[in-house]
Amino acid sequence: GEDVEQSLFLSVREGDSSVINCTYTDSSSTYLYWYKQEPGAGLQLLTYIFSNMDMKQDQRLTVLLNKKDKHLSLRIADTQTGDSAIYFCAESTPYSSASKIIFGSGTRLSIRP
Amino acid sequence: DTAVSQTPKYLVTQMGNDKSIKCEQNLGHDTMYWYKQDSKKFLKIMFSYNNKELIINETVPNRFSPKSPDKAHLNLHINSLELGDSAVYFCASSHRNSPLHFGNGTRLTVT
Repeated sequence: GEDVEQSLFLSVREGDSSVINCTYTDSSSTYLYWYKQEPGAGLQLLTYIFSNMDMKQDQRLTVLLNKKDKHLSLRIADTQTGDSAIYFCAESTPYSSASKIIFGSGTRLSIRP
Repeated sequence: DTAVSQTPKYLVTQMGNDKSIKCEQNLGHDTMYWYKQDSKKFLKIMFSYNNKELIINETVPNRFSPKSPDKAHLNLHINSLELGDSAVYFCASSHRNSPLHFGNGTRLTVT
């Protein structure tokens, strides 16, 4: 079955890079996503990567995908206090006429001054 | 504004009551979802409709009944509410393989 795992907490110093890791089990995943959730808010799509890519960069965000190991990471360069949030990894797999999207448990990123 | 909108934002009710949460999307998407986020922030898929047809129905008590009158709407009705139903419920939509677009959530508190 599908399972997505990520560590629950990460603490980094302001200005450093943050790396949030995620592993998934379903090899038929088509897309992998990173969502950000700030306190009391909904989920905001940060970035996503198609399963036949191994890297995607978007300003301060870099996504790396190792399909062989089913490992996904999100690197945030020059982490700022506004980056404090919960980051969810998610995988999308074909399901009937649509897609099924399964989320990891979320990684709570906190920033130290 | 193009968006996924759900109402109400907050819902406080007593055990045993029946309540509904409404969701509408004006993005032209063909698939809509309900997710439940518990107090530990775990997000679990509940239901998915594609073109008004139920395609995903996870292990959810049958007190929960989704209804999709058209592609742009997916409502969630909950009968005989229990304390354990307290959570934030998120509606979302997508089109084919596009990412999910989420509503802002409905915080349900059952007392």
